[in-house]
Amino acid sequence: SAVISQKPSRDICQRGTSLTIQCQVDSQVTMMFWYRQQPGQSLTLIATANQGSEATYESGFVIDKFPISRPNLTFSTLTVSNMSPEDSSIYLCSVRDRGYNEQFFGPGTRLTVL
Amino acid sequence: AQTVTQSQPEMSVQEAETVTLSCTYDTSESDYYLFWYKQPPSRQMILVIRQEAYKQQNATENRFSVNFQKAAKSFSLKISDSQLGDAAMYFCAYIYQGGSEKLVFGKGTKLTVNP
Repeated sequence: SAVISQKPSRDICQRGTSLTIQCQVDSQVTMMFWYRQQPGQSLTLIATANQGSEATYESGFVIDKFPISRPNLTFSTLTVSNMSPEDSSIYLCSVRDRGYNEQFFGPGTRLTVL
Repeated sequence: AQTVTQSQPEMSVQEAETVTLSCTYDTSESDYYLFWYKQPPSRQMILVIRQEAYKQQNATENRFSVNFQKAAKSFSLKISDSQLGDAAMYFCAYIYQGGSEKLVFGKGTKLTVNP
């Protein structure tokens, strides 16, 4: 299984600012995913980030609010822009093992917006 | 669209006892995978067990086993000899083997283990 790290693990931010979350994987993966988990809720897919192409966003999420970079096969970033208290959530990075269709998750970033 | 339903928002079990968490799903596909993930308070999502739809045999991982009923579109998780460390949110998830390959999650079941 892939080992995934995320930075920062948590942050407290002021409204109107932006935060960039980093996701690093210990092996090369084609598909990386970003999820949001609001308090007490399940996971919601924000976007799929494939290396060498633009990220694909799910309904309700837009690139201006959640720009994503995927410069290589082991790294991705998600930026939460112009934050509001409604953005307070856990943000999780995930990668897919296509051989077994298993998906592994990073430890998450807990974001609080004041 | 595929959906995953977990009808038990919360469950509790006594330590060393057995508990079963329910999951149903809706799909028109025949080739897919089903998963149970565990999320303890540390928030790390941990893959507990997986089931391929084409396999009739139910998956087992140590104290964790599933009851996969393909015709009924049911995928329950049984935890035997429950331990305090099993306390967590449990999410059932589905993925279609082809197509968009999005992992679809249920809303989760919070499991409490009482000593």
